[in-house]
Amino acid sequence: GAVVSQHPSRVICKSGTSVKIECRSLDFQATTMFWYRQFPKQSLMLMATSNEGSKATYEQGVEKDKFLINHASLTLSTLTVTSAHPEDSSFYICSARDSVGVQETQYFGPGTRLLVL
Amino acid sequence: GENVEQHPSTLSVQEGDSAVIKCTYSDSASNYFPWYKQELGKGPQLIIDIRSNVGEKKDQRIAVTLNKTAKHFSLHITETQPEDSAVYFCAASNKAAGNKLTFGGGTRVLVKP
Repeated sequence: GAVVSQHPSRVICKSGTSVKIECRSLDFQATTMFWYRQFPKQSLMLMATSNEGSKATYEQGVEKDKFLINHASLTLSTLTVTSAHPEDSSFYICSARDSVGVQETQYFGPGTRLLVL
Repeated sequence: GENVEQHPSTLSVQEGDSAVIKCTYSDSASNYFPWYKQELGKGPQLIIDIRSNVGEKKDQRIAVTLNKTAKHFSLHITETQPEDSAVYFCAASNKAAGNKLTFGGGTRVLVKP
């Protein structure tokens, strides 16, 4: 149980285009999901907290108009990188918290590698 | 906010030996401490966690200890195997901060056969 999927697993796009990444909890409901960014050989940095049915909460320094988050259902959150530029190239990982399970535990997706040319 | 320090950054051990990774945290309100294993190109996988009301937890070859007074916690892997090679991250969170995880910098573990 507690499986989180992400789609796509890898995406290459041209500078200036927008890219949408999906995060799904497959066998549990998640009122809260988190989006992280990870550069090579570095730790995970929290970008934002995604709450079902309400606006996302962004961490300091993360542009909300650049990284659009939508959490429209209890099993799906999306991250859209708008007008992507080469510096946005990174590994994006989501996690989800089981709404009825142990509140602290986060289950991570497999990640999406974004390369902006 | 919370700050988590993790040491060492790299660790090389011979197969069968033990590996120990240590983390310290700054926020005394933190009460949940998970450990994640991340293989190359994949997302982190939860391997063990501990809450502040417990001092030690064990799951087969993996154990975690917590010292709340000193604000540090450690991961112990015994009888290491080549498949234990990965990057390991510690993290801390507390309910007052929305249960957001703050990660350590990671430890790259290499188990030599």
